[in-house]
Amino acid sequence: DTGVSQDPRHKITKRGQNVTFRCDPISEHNRLYWYRQTLGQGPEFLTYFQNEAQLEKSRLLSDRFSAERPKGSFSTLEIQRTEQGDSAMYLCASSEAVRFNTGELFFGEGSRLTVL
Amino acid sequence: GESVGLHLPTLSVQEGDNSIINCAYSNSASDYFIWYKQESGKGPQFIIDIRSNMDKRQGQRVTVLLNKTVKHLSLQIAATQPGDSAVYFCAEYGAQKLVFGQGTRLTINP
Repeated sequence: DTGVSQDPRHKITKRGQNVTFRCDPISEHNRLYWYRQTLGQGPEFLTYFQNEAQLEKSRLLSDRFSAERPKGSFSTLEIQRTEQGDSAMYLCASSEAVRFNTGELFFGEGSRLTVL
Repeated sequence: GESVGLHLPTLSVQEGDNSIINCAYSNSASDYFIWYKQESGKGPQFIIDIRSNMDKRQGQRVTVLLNKTVKHLSLQIAATQPGDSAVYFCAEYGAQKLVFGQGTRLTINP
């Protein structure tokens, strides 16, 4: 399978615990995005990387959230001291940063977080 | 984009009929407007895009119309099939990121 891979697919945790999600993009895609989606809503932008550089972070990404892409390949999204409001689907997407990027992102199937 | 809350707009059509899904967007400076399809339990999947300087683009069984005067985007699906059942999101692309708009749940009646 050569699509975007996310792990774990489901995570249930207690409030206050830390969680980490991993995303493996399509190889050779140098852009990687994280989005968050809650029930009934469209995905909301969190952050994106071009290669290993994190170029933009949304105001939604509080200090408890950190994302990395150390070698420009896979990425991790860590949430510290989880709160019930963090319960959501965390989606990763990748794309090629070609000259005429049209916004065609390839999404993974997401990591669903439930904070009890 | 504008979020729709827990109650998505819905559209029910008969199998074989044409479907038209509408979306209002907010940012006139966007470079592209895109439609994504999201099936239950899956991530969004790209369907078709349209550059901001165009008003119509056709794909396989789908057509996107862009009316910049009223900031309106529509997706037409011809001969709707059961596999078209999903939530459809419009999105704007600009400044290197996608901003998703309201979703519409499309249900196909046999």
